Amino acid sequence: DAKTTQPNSMESNEEEPVHLPCNHSTISGTDYIHWYRQLPSQGPEYVIHGLTSNVNNRMASLAIAEDRKSSTLILHRATLRDAAVYYCILRGPVYNQGGKLIFGQGTELSVKP
Amino acid sequence: EAGVAQSPRYKIIEKRQSVAFWCNPISGHATLYWYQQILGQGPKLLIQFQNNGVVDDSQLPKDRFSAERLKGVDSTLKIQPAKLEDSAVYLCASSLDPAGGHFFGPGTRLTVL
Repeated sequence: DAKTTQPNSMESNEEEPVHLPCNHSTISGTDYIHWYRQLPSQGPEYVIHGLTSNVNNRMASLAIAEDRKSSTLILHRATLRDAAVYYCILRGPVYNQGGKLIFGQGTELSVKP
Repeated sequence: EAGVAQSPRYKIIEKRQSVAFWCNPISGHATLYWYQQILGQGPKLLIQFQNNGVVDDSQLPKDRFSAERLKGVDSTLKIQPAKLEDSAVYLCASSLDPAGGHFFGPGTRLTVL
């Protein structure tokens, strides 16, 4: 299974942008890059995903390097409610991985007021 | 739209006792997952169902864990007998199909004394 590497923790200030990095040097051509986050005492929730091109949604933006060996999740204006553990996950095709998510340690993001 | 429901939210038992967790997925979601999350780690898949059939139970400790999804809707996960190392949060997730995004429930926090 492909692996990702993320910093254990990051700090940000409220209302400032946050860039959460993820390295995935062994990514294969069929792997999608998914981001989930887990707020305290809750189950993980979907944030965003992409394959090759940068992606935007109402929660965040995903910037994918041209060689796809790294990606960055961008929160444009951090709020206190964004404090969570953020997981970067490589999701292979269903015929290969069956649909499951393989979580790493994630990055614990703290937001200071 | 109602989310994934789980009960109980918390359970404390003695080692060697039995325990069962219940999950009600989002209506219409054919795929159901049980994950185990030990404190400080990312969730790890225990079992995946497609309707009422098992797709992947390779990480399920079958000598003590069992799960079923008899009518392809609700699911139960049982541990018998429990060990100290089973202390964890048990997360249920569902998706429309194996390629779809996961929707997680709030989890059941199990403490084995």
